[in-house]
Amino acid sequence: DGGITQSPKYLFRKEGQNVTLSCEQNLNHDAMYWYRQDPGQGLRLIYYSQIVNDFQKGDIAEGYSVSREKKESFPLTVTSAQKNPTAFYLCASTPGGAGTEAFFGQGTRLTVV
Amino acid sequence: GQQVMQIPQYQHVQEGEDFTTYCNSSTTLSNIQWYKQRPGGHPVFLIQLVKSGEVKKQKRLTFQFGEAKKNSSLHITATQTTDVGTYFCAGPATDSWGKFQFGAGTQVVVTP
Repeated sequence: DGGITQSPKYLFRKEGQNVTLSCEQNLNHDAMYWYRQDPGQGLRLIYYSQIVNDFQKGDIAEGYSVSREKKESFPLTVTSAQKNPTAFYLCASTPGGAGTEAFFGQGTRLTVV
Repeated sequence: GQQVMQIPQYQHVQEGEDFTTYCNSSTTLSNIQWYKQRPGGHPVFLIQLVKSGEVKKQKRLTFQFGEAKKNSSLHITATQTTDVGTYFCAGPATDSWGKFQFGAGTQVVVTP
């Protein structure tokens, strides 16, 4: 089945450590996105990529980094520079940018301990 | 900058009642999408509206795109407990191609 997979579902991190969240899609979509969601809040865009080897900062990119070496994969690294990383992280993909339906992964819940 | 606002932020509904949630953009949108996120889940695409004044129905859900393409509404009739969740609207951002501008969502709670 085609879809978008995020792993792990739950992640615990000690303060000061970097952590990488995985996002893989087999939908052959060009565009991929990372969002952060805090309890009771909307979706805030971290980074997005329209094509392999290219990505753009979203509204809250500070303390995060991404790579897009393969069309299928768009990993997000939460660095120690991110001051408040505890949140629900959602990855999404679309076949053709913002004018087309977005497919979301199941999300990764990151907790800093 | 472009803003997409949703009202109300919270909606408490008695089972069987109707309600409407609204989405307003500060700029004209080429299209608007609606998503539903169940508690603990991820957003799932519901529908996309493209034409001015467009109305689409999905069973008890009615979606409308305003004539000026700056606002949209979602009306749910005879609310059921399965309607619980947060409903988001989203449109293409005007400052960056390929970027979505999501509203903050309307969180719906249904009382049996």
